[in-house]
Amino acid sequence: DGGITQSPKYLFRKEGQNVTLSCEQNLNHDAMYWYRQDPGQGLRLIYYSQIVNDFQKGDIAEGYSVSREKKESFPLTVTSAQKNPTAFYLCASTPRGRDTGELFFGEGSRLTVL
Amino acid sequence: QQQVKQSPQSLIVQKGGISIINCAYENTAFDYFPWYQQFPGKGPALLIAIRPDVSEKKEGRFTISFNKSAKQFSLHIMDSQPGDSATYFCAASGDTNAGKSTFGDGTTLTVKP
Repeated sequence: DGGITQSPKYLFRKEGQNVTLSCEQNLNHDAMYWYRQDPGQGLRLIYYSQIVNDFQKGDIAEGYSVSREKKESFPLTVTSAQKNPTAFYLCASTPRGRDTGELFFGEGSRLTVL
Repeated sequence: QQQVKQSPQSLIVQKGGISIINCAYENTAFDYFPWYQQFPGKGPALLIAIRPDVSEKKEGRFTISFNKSAKQFSLHIMDSQPGDSATYFCAASGDTNAGKSTFGDGTTLTVKP
């Protein structure tokens, strides 16, 4: 089945540690995205990538980093510089082009900083 | 500045009733308006979407009503069921890059049996 796989589903981190969240898709989509979700708030865009080896900052990129070395993979690193990293992180993808605006989401990774 | 305002924040409806969630947007360049449904601990999934060339779109029990002049759109869930209990997000985008969608803050719907 095609889809987006995020791992781990749950992650605990001590303050000062970097952590990397994995996102893999087999939908052959060109564009991939990372969103952050906090209770009572909408989804906020962290980073996005439209093609391999290229990515852009979203609205809340500070304290995060990404890479896009393969079309299928778009890992997110939450660095120690992120002041409030506890959140639910969602990876999404979409084909490029205007014909579809649908975002396909993974099941999310919940990060808790202890 | 929030570009998509969603209301209400939470909604409780009896089984069989109609659930209505509203969204208002500011950017007139938006031309794609989806609604996503999210169950606890899961990622959102597209429920229904509309483009501004039509005023209404219906898929089963779910209907989007769109008012371009008022810059508002709403989701109606007819014959609401307990299985509809979830968080609903409206969104809007205007680029070919769908990921730059702007999301509302979400509405938590509870349908009581």
